[in-house]
Amino acid sequence: QVQLQESGPGLVKPSETLSLTCTVSSYAVSSGYYWGWIRQSPGKGLEWIGSISHIGNTHYTTSLKSRVTISVDTSKNQFSLKLRSVTAADTAVYYCARGDFYFDYWGQGTLVTVSS
Amino acid sequence: DIQMTQSPSSLSASVGDRVTITCRASQGISNFLAWYQQKPGKVPKLLIYSASTLQSGVPSRFSGGGSGTDFTLTISSLQPEDVATYYCQSYNSALFTFGPGTKVDF
Repeated sequence: QVQLQESGPGLVKPSETLSLTCTVSSYAVSSGYYWGWIRQSPGKGLEWIGSISHIGNTHYTTSLKSRVTISVDTSKNQFSLKLRSVTAADTAVYYCARGDFYFDYWGQGTLVTVSS
Repeated sequence: DIQMTQSPSSLSASVGDRVTITCRASQGISNFLAWYQQKPGKVPKLLIYSASTLQSGVPSRFSGGGSGTDFTLTISSLQPEDVATYYCQSYNSALFTFGPGTKVDF
């Protein structure tokens, strides 16, 4: 059973960079698939942030493209999200997930609050 | 970018009812459409992919249909455990878009 687990600070100050890591178990990231980040603001719907392939090809949603970087570390079986210049609007539960055309395995999600 | 709409935004039904949710894409996406169920406080769960393929372990009362721009999710006989918000998700040109969700309750 593939498992994903998000980790990172739960509180980030406005204008700073949000950094999260997703650790994958029971599947080698280097074997294939795209690996994505999705977020959900409190009481709102799901928003895809971006995805990265096992060889580092990245795709980002248009609205966040200028502030987002996703990277992969196959040696640690992890992939990471960096979101720069955050504001209160970036407060959300952040999920990592596996998927080429749809997301079949998800992490439990981590709440990141942007506040001073 | 593709825009996704869902209707209705919410619905109330009774146990045993047949429920249908509609999802529409702003441009054709062939069958690159998935449905997710999210219960309150829980992680989204994949129900259907490729518009009509049931994910392993998902009850057969769930079914999906459609192609191009118009898609449906049908619950043939609503059960108490189906109270949730349902999201459609498209894939097009390496980009994903989620619909706004449909809340189903009793």
